[in-house]
Amino acid sequence: ETGVTQTPRHLVMGMTNKKSLKCEQHLGHNAMYWYKQSAKKPLELMFVYSLEERVENNSVPSRFSPECPNSSHLFLHLHTLQPEDSALYLCASSQELQGLGRGPLHFGNGTRLTVT
Amino acid sequence: SQQGEEDPQALSIQEGENATMNCSYKTSINNLQWYRQNSGRGLVHLILIRSNEREKHSGRLRVTLDTSKKSSSLLITASRAADTASYFCAPGAGGGNKLTFGTGTQLKVEL
Repeated sequence: ETGVTQTPRHLVMGMTNKKSLKCEQHLGHNAMYWYKQSAKKPLELMFVYSLEERVENNSVPSRFSPECPNSSHLFLHLHTLQPEDSALYLCASSQELQGLGRGPLHFGNGTRLTVT
Repeated sequence: SQQGEEDPQALSIQEGENATMNCSYKTSINNLQWYRQNSGRGLVHLILIRSNEREKHSGRLRVTLDTSKKSSSLLITASRAADTASYFCAPGAGGGNKLTFGTGTQLKVEL
């Protein structure tokens, strides 16, 4: 699956660092999503964008800041993270918002984030 | 939105055997999707079944949906070592923007 590309694949950062995760989709989709996957927990939906507009913010702490400059790119800016934020961060896209039920999510391979 | 709950949490079988995983959900749906995740990778969409469908096939995959019991099952026939992965269901309801996932079923297919 190369339609959704995430960089970097691995990231180690200290609690005082600022870093960004990048996601790019080449599928011409209109909706993009950030999910967090921690060990032995359900995937957590963090943010939803439709046509570059944020339509969902799932009570995510402000140390996570999303940005969607266009329908192909999605960023997650990170600052002053905590060790419990260590997880696999997955980006996904879909043709339309999932609530319309029109087809699947396409996921990237994620960024494995470790906060030390 | 609602989250599906997969059962069992873990399943270990021998190559060539069939693997059955179940999913339960709580409220009405428009469709239900199944995804696979290989270790350290993203989720990959397998199959979508609509609420007016009872069964759907795709290659070695067979999905059933029982809306009266609010449950679905995924059957993988003649399993292979390459089927080793986590499997997630995602109930889709109209009107919301969310597709949420549970903790999945970890399938291990041994040679």
